[in-house]
Formats: sequence, C-alpha cells, structure tokens
Amino acid sequence: EAGVAQSPRYKIIEKRQSVAFWCNPISGHATLYWYQQILGQGPKLLIQFQNNGVVDDSQLPKDRFSAERLKGVDSTLKIQPAKLEDSAVYLCASSLATGQYEQYFGPGTRLTVT
Amino acid sequence: GENVEQHPSTLSVQEGDSAVIKCTYSDSASNYFPWYKQELGKGPQLIIDIRSNVGEKKDQRIAVTLNKTAKHFSLHITETQPEDSAVYFCAASRGGTYKYIFGTGTRLKVLA
Repeated sequence: EAGVAQSPRYKIIEKRQSVAFWCNPISGHATLYWYQQILGQGPKLLIQFQNNGVVDDSQLPKDRFSAERLKGVDSTLKIQPAKLEDSAVYLCASSLATGQYEQYFGPGTRLTVT
Repeated sequence: GENVEQHPSTLSVQEGDSAVIKCTYSDSASNYFPWYKQELGKGPQLIIDIRSNVGEKKDQRIAVTLNKTAKHFSLHITETQPEDSAVYFCAASRGGTYKYIFGTGTRLKVLA
C-alpha cells in the first residue's frame, strides 16, 4: 500500500514570497490533515478536510495561508506572503475517516524562509 | 484550549534498559491517546494508542498506561534497542472534530 506522498521535500524562499505544497493521501482515505511542525515542537493542526469539505481550520492563519482539496483527493497548502516564522516542516496526514482513527503521515516538506 | 505537556524532552538509556515518557493533558473530555514515533527525516508513525475506557495496553516491548483521575498517561519501552532511538510524541483527542493535540516530544537515545 502506497503511503502519503508530499512534494517538494525541501523549499527555500525569501520572506514575502509565496509557496505551495502538494499532498496525495492514501487511496480511500476520506480525511486529510495539514500540520505545521516547528523545530523542537509537536505537530500543530492547521486544517482538516473530510472529503473536500473543511472540518476544522481554527488554527490556520487565514490572512496568509490557504488550502484546498479539490475532488476530495489531492490537496495543496499555500502560503502568501511568507514570513520568517513560517519556517517549519509541513506534514500532511490522512485517515480513513474523521474520528479516532490512525493518522498516516507523509515525510513532510521542510520550508526555510530567509 | 487543550494542552498536552510531555516530559522529559530528552532521555538517554543503555541498551536493554527501560524508558518511560510521561504526558499530562488538561481537557478532561479527552478520550483517546495515541503515541507516535518520528525518525529523522520521516513523518510520525503510530506505535500504540489507548482509549479512556482502558487503563493499560501492551504490544510486545511497548506499553501505555492511563490515569484518568490525574489526567496523565505514560509510554513504557522495555529492553530498549538502538533502533528505538527517535523522537516520541504523545497526543490527546476528544470527540467532535477529534483533533489531535500533540505534546512537545521526547528525544530518546539508546546507547549501545
């Protein structure tokens, strides 16, 4: 079974530039999550999708971050404009459904904002 | 909101010894507690979980205990091996959106 795929693996941008990350969840998984993991901290949920609808985006900085999950499969997370404090690993995860199911994580995208 | 504290932040043990990592949660409605292992350059991977109707769960060398009254839960690894070296995260979840709140992580080093 293929795992959660993410790209790119690494990205370096200057502040005020924009960046986009892509995630392909495990086939058949209805729920998709984007997490931000700052160095030395645990993952923090940014947004959770059930199919192509948003379940929770309470911690997404909506003035600069946006996410979509068209057709309920792949998802993209965008930052525009980026700030220095956005430097982090962005993890995508998926699970069978919303609930206390195992979340399967991708390898993450390491973003450095200079 | 929910807060999860995790201790210690780093832990070094000799191969074959046991390791214990502790977490405390603040939301008494939390009812699901997974533990994730994150190796360098990889995403976290679930290693064991426990629900609030159970006090202890074991899977080979790994066990988790839950004390609902004190609102804390612990991960126990026995007979540690070098491949156990990684960062371990606890998390807590409740009904509703079932959002996971993660602890800050424990870097475990198993010395050969």
